[in-house]
Amino acid sequence: SQQGEEDPQALSIQEGENATMNCSYKTSINNLQWYRQNSGRGLVHLILIRSNEREKHSGRLRVTLDTSKKSSSLLITASRAADTASYFCATETGGFKTIFGAGTRLFVKA
Amino acid sequence: DTEVTQTPKHLVMGMTNKKSLKCEQHMGHRAMYWYKQKAKKPPELMFVYSYEKLSINESVPSRFSPECPNSSLLNLHLHALQPEDSALYLCASSHGLVNTGELFFGEGSRLTVL
Repeated sequence: SQQGEEDPQALSIQEGENATMNCSYKTSINNLQWYRQNSGRGLVHLILIRSNEREKHSGRLRVTLDTSKKSSSLLITASRAADTASYFCATETGGFKTIFGAGTRLFVKA
Repeated sequence: DTEVTQTPKHLVMGMTNKKSLKCEQHMGHRAMYWYKQKAKKPPELMFVYSYEKLSINESVPSRFSPECPNSSLLNLHLHALQPEDSALYLCASSHGLVNTGELFFGEGSRLTVL
């Protein structure tokens, strides 16, 4: 089952620009996480935000969470060509059930 | 050691074959997961083991049979698969404490069913 939607489905930007991806979900959550996946590879955890947190930063990443709207956003600042990948939000709803959203494919042009 | 190791990396099997996918982690994690991912789609949860007991089965067909022999190992036994089961199968692990999040993923086993 898929927990939510992400938009945009695909995003193409120039190096140095910021990239913003949005995620919506349907049920109550314990936490929301963002992952990155290079083509055909495993997923890499980027950042986790708990349901009682509103904003979190890690390096060039900024995540916000609005539980009233059941939505989150991931901002990547000063993007690099190496940031080209698919980005997924994932929600943990309890009992280790972690469900992924549809994903955003980011392409950063050098 | 922060690795999750999956073998084999690639597997081609016929619909009558029996094969297994293997996953190993040595991080002391007590929760282990199988996900299935089709091209350009998100990973779909199949099974979760918590402390070596099956805690989640997302209504997966019985032709997929998981096994957790010990806290470091997770297997997925495959039998009588269909061509539509061709996908990337991802194993992941986590600490096993609720709400600590972070799944550590292996690189996946790419399965082709002929």
